Amino acid sequence: DADVTQTPRNRITKTGKRIMLECSQTKGHDRMYWYRQDPGLGLRLIYYSFDVKDINKGEISDGYSVSRQAQAKFSLSLESAIPNQTALYFCATSYTGGTEAFFGQGTRLTVV
Amino acid sequence: AQSVAQPEDQVNVAEGNPLTVKCTYSVSGNPYLFWYVQYPNRGLQFLLKYITGDNLVKGSYGFEAEFNKSQTSFHLKKPSALVSDSALYFCAVRDTIYGQNFVFGPGTRLSVLP
Repeated sequence: DADVTQTPRNRITKTGKRIMLECSQTKGHDRMYWYRQDPGLGLRLIYYSFDVKDINKGEISDGYSVSRQAQAKFSLSLESAIPNQTALYFCATSYTGGTEAFFGQGTRLTVV
Repeated sequence: AQSVAQPEDQVNVAEGNPLTVKCTYSVSGNPYLFWYVQYPNRGLQFLLKYITGDNLVKGSYGFEAEFNKSQTSFHLKKPSALVSDSALYFCAVRDTIYGQNFVFGPGTRLSVLP
């Protein structure tokens, strides 16, 4: 699990602020994902990237943006945070031809 | 579209008893199926997967799961539950043809009572 690192682990921010969540991986995987976890809803896909030049919206991309700075780095931004973006955010990786995904430890974000 | 259902929000079982956590899925093509476990303040840990072949797959910590194509189910099982198995369990599916993303169920909280 340390192969997929998310920073920060916890963050409290105010409504309207811009915030960036970062993910880096040492697994050498080409595919990276951002998920959001809410109680009773499971994990929902925000954005995904199958390589550095490929960015795709997921199920719930509104209010979020991403940047794939390198194969190993995939950042999620909230341009203007709102309270209903309070959630646990996970970064995950996989590789072309592989099967399962590998998850980071998560970032707990609270928007007040 | 892919979807995953976990019909039970909560499963309670006594230590030493067998446990089952249920999962049903819907995909257009052939599925890859997964179980993940989440302990408090931790990320998701991979438990096991079904890709092809034998319908009964074995994974970490004594867990196993049975793939049933006709019932589109992939139930997680363990013959003898431990208190330390108490956690949140997620079933996930990946369509091998029409989509390459992972779709997760809502999760089932397993409580193993001593």
